Amino acid sequence: DADVTQTPRNRITKTGKRIMLECSQTKGHDRMYWYRQDPGLGLRLIYYSFDVKDINKGEISDGYSVSRQAQAKFSLSLESAIPNQTALYFCATSEAGQRRAFFGQGTRLTVV
Amino acid sequence: GDSVTQMEGPVTLSEEAFLTINCTYTATGYPSLFWYVQYPGEGLQLLLKATKADDKGSNKGFEATYRKETTSFHLEKGSVQVSDSAVYFCALSESAGGTSYGKLTFGQGTILTVHP
Repeated sequence: DADVTQTPRNRITKTGKRIMLECSQTKGHDRMYWYRQDPGLGLRLIYYSFDVKDINKGEISDGYSVSRQAQAKFSLSLESAIPNQTALYFCATSEAGQRRAFFGQGTRLTVV
Repeated sequence: GDSVTQMEGPVTLSEEAFLTINCTYTATGYPSLFWYVQYPGEGLQLLLKATKADDKGSNKGFEATYRKETTSFHLEKGSVQVSDSAVYFCALSESAGGTSYGKLTFGQGTILTVHP
């Protein structure tokens, strides 16, 4: 769904650097999520937000932080990147009453 | 906590073969169940869903039935095509009490390759 846009699509960064992944949506949904995909592990929830003033940790939040700047924007930060944070990161949105999630195209992050 | 287990992959089939990808789950409440598909280089798309026991989700020739007694949601298709080659994820959402359908627990994914 092009309505959920992630930037950048690919990023290579060095160990110890701070990096931000951005997600914006035009669907008008109030709920947004960040997932991480690793081969053989599926997707795991990092953080989620049900509205601008609501931030919740997911299963694997250590080493990550988020910011919900507006209803349409939800950013994921790695304060000090490490190689085992190399993964494919997905942003998703949902809305009460629509029994599904909508995913962005993903950001492939490599930490060297 | 909740968990989803998918059959080990990858799965390689010839065109027009029958497909089954097994999925079982554990959950404390009454989850909704989903199959999402990821085509190469793309994000996840909802393939089908079922929100209560005995519901059957279907889309694009794929089907899955919510079996509460066996805690399963196996994906099937009678005749696969080359264009079905993708990664398939089984997932659940604890939807009781209005919990968000975007807060998902995923299986590990199954890579399907279909040859002509």
